[in-house]
Amino acid sequence: GAVVSQHPSRVICKSGTSVKIECRSLDFQATTMFWYRQFPKQSLMLMATSNEGSKATYEQGVEKDKFLINHASLTLSTLTVTSAHPEDSSFYICSARDVGLAHYNEQFFGPGTRLTVL
Amino acid sequence: GQQVMQIPQYQHVQEGEDFTTYCNSSTTLSNIQWYKQRPGGHPVFLIQLVKSGEVKKQKRLTFQFGEAKKNSSLHITATQTTDVGTYFCAGPGWRDNNDMRFGAGTRLTVKP
Repeated sequence: GAVVSQHPSRVICKSGTSVKIECRSLDFQATTMFWYRQFPKQSLMLMATSNEGSKATYEQGVEKDKFLINHASLTLSTLTVTSAHPEDSSFYICSARDVGLAHYNEQFFGPGTRLTVL
Repeated sequence: GQQVMQIPQYQHVQEGEDFTTYCNSSTTLSNIQWYKQRPGGHPVFLIQLVKSGEVKKQKRLTFQFGEAKKNSSLHITATQTTDVGTYFCAGPGWRDNNDMRFGAGTRLTVKP
């Protein structure tokens, strides 16, 4: 149980286009999902906390208008990178927390999305 | 904001040797989590420590939470090639316990 999927796994786009990444909890409900960015051989940098039915909470330095987050249901959060530029190229990973008591604080990570902006 | 510092950044060991990674915080942590990320993979939850001085074991892995709840360690006994990966500790963010902040990670390589 506790599987998180992410789509697409890889995307290559042209500079200036927008890219949407989906994060789904497949077998549990997640009121909270997290979006991270990871550069090669580096740690995970929290970008924002996605809350179902409300606005996302962004970390300092993360542009809200550039990284649009929507958490429309208890199983789906989306991250849209708007007007992507080469510096946005990175590995984007989402995670979700199961509201059930058995997994109170554990985060389940999706497989990640490798974004390359040409 | 709350940060967890993790050392060493890299560790290369011979198979069969032990391995330890350390995590430190300047402030008291309500809990600390450990994750493993295999090369090319995503982080996988290993364990959460909550109590002061807590020690938990998972086969060859031993996790400790300091008495002051400001530091933690992960020790692997007799490493195997399957232990290869990056080990991250994560502590609660500054807002509340809802978000977790990851340490820099320790990349472990094991020579057979």
